[in-house]
Amino acid sequence: GEDVEQSLFLSVREGDSSVINCTYTDSSSTYLYWYKQEPGAGLQLLTYIFSNMDMKQDQRLTVLLNKKDKHLSLRIADTQTGDSAIYFCAESVLSGTYKYIFGTGTRLKVLA
Amino acid sequence: GAGVSQTPSNKVTEKGKYVELRCDPISGHTALYWYRQSLGQGPEFLIYFQGTGAADDSGLPNDRFFAVRPEGSVSTLKIQRTERGDSAVYLCASSRGHSYEQYFGPGTRLTVT
Repeated sequence: GEDVEQSLFLSVREGDSSVINCTYTDSSSTYLYWYKQEPGAGLQLLTYIFSNMDMKQDQRLTVLLNKKDKHLSLRIADTQTGDSAIYFCAESVLSGTYKYIFGTGTRLKVLA
Repeated sequence: GAGVSQTPSNKVTEKGKYVELRCDPISGHTALYWYRQSLGQGPEFLIYFQGTGAADDSGLPNDRFFAVRPEGSVSTLKIQRTERGDSAVYLCASSRGHSYEQYFGPGTRLTVT
């Protein structure tokens, strides 16, 4: 079955690192994505990782993928107040349509 | 335009009415997706178009929902006999092809009273 799970809330202090976790169930996933959603705004693609990779780094963002455990994480270094948002992970299912299955989102609150 | 656009940004309608939601994808993107995001949830897939045809409509909740993309560009999501449970943000996304990353529009917030 297709299911993506995330913890609902995360609170960190400005300047600390944030780690947002996600688990998925579909072993045929090809790409896994992280999106950011700010209040009243659309989904902004942050980064993605191909399923045969273990890690991807992009400036302050590091994505780690443990395919055996079907676990994905997003690390944000030096978290800033502007990083406060809801973060969604999504898997792209290899079913012909590559539709996305999204998690419920993790609300990140950055304390000054 | 540079990104995916959706109109209207907000729509309030009475229960039982018919509504149409429009999506303008990024120019040249052949794949188009509709998702629905209920309050406090992640987006859920509704329908996927490759070109003009609906290649996967498995996410449409029932036959009150229908979508078209007659010329392979703009798409319209149509909801008949709206119900209060249809209230949500309807998101449209487009991509260069079905295996590429999807770019999302700002969404249409539908409220059924």
